[in-house]
Amino acid sequence: QKEVEQNSGPLSVPEGAIASLNCTYSDRGSQSFFWYRQYSGKSPELIMFIYSNGDKEDGRFTAQLNKASQYVSLLIRDSQPSDSATYLCAVNRGSVATGFQKLVFGTGTRLLVSP
Amino acid sequence: DAGVTQSPTHLIKTRGQHVTLRCSPISGHKSVSWYQQVLGQGPQFIFQYYEKEERGRGNFPDRFSARQFPNYSSELNVNALLLGDSALYLCASSLEGHHGNTIYFGEGSWLTVV
Repeated sequence: QKEVEQNSGPLSVPEGAIASLNCTYSDRGSQSFFWYRQYSGKSPELIMFIYSNGDKEDGRFTAQLNKASQYVSLLIRDSQPSDSATYLCAVNRGSVATGFQKLVFGTGTRLLVSP
Repeated sequence: DAGVTQSPTHLIKTRGQHVTLRCSPISGHKSVSWYQQVLGQGPQFIFQYYEKEERGRGNFPDRFSARQFPNYSSELNVNALLLGDSALYLCASSLEGHHGNTIYFGEGSWLTVV
């Protein structure tokens, strides 16, 4: 079992629809979770960061975290063609005590938003 | 404020050569990490430095080394380059080295080994 799992896609949605991206993780002790957007040939761009159960909203993006079920999701409302990219889910496997940070990534979900 | 800056952006090396990649974190950030991303995969953790000390190392051979300087900038060194080292090398910066901090990536350094 991979530490962080994502459906590779592609996930195809029409413009204006809600895109739902899901991610599961295996380490129940994981503390914080990240969503990055990566355009082809570019570096990952931070979209959302969440560490408490529940929802966190930022503009058109909502991250949802359920630690009991070990999943984190990203909703993109009013999807635009410019949202077409690979979305990477990452889990921080670090330690507060030692100041250690280590992001473990999924392989990413490719999102295609059609006009 | 400037984001995470990396240099060089692209470089081509020959097998067996050595490469040094450089990173300047966001101003005020004390933690720098290095990741390797090969095509079609998520980034893989190589090193993390916080307050100039190595805090963690990923599953990479000893050919990979890094250090952090007093101004919190960092270098990643790779010796005896192999074809398989061809990848995007990413530097990540955060305020402190714990789970409550957001982590930002630089634009990366594209390394091609021929």
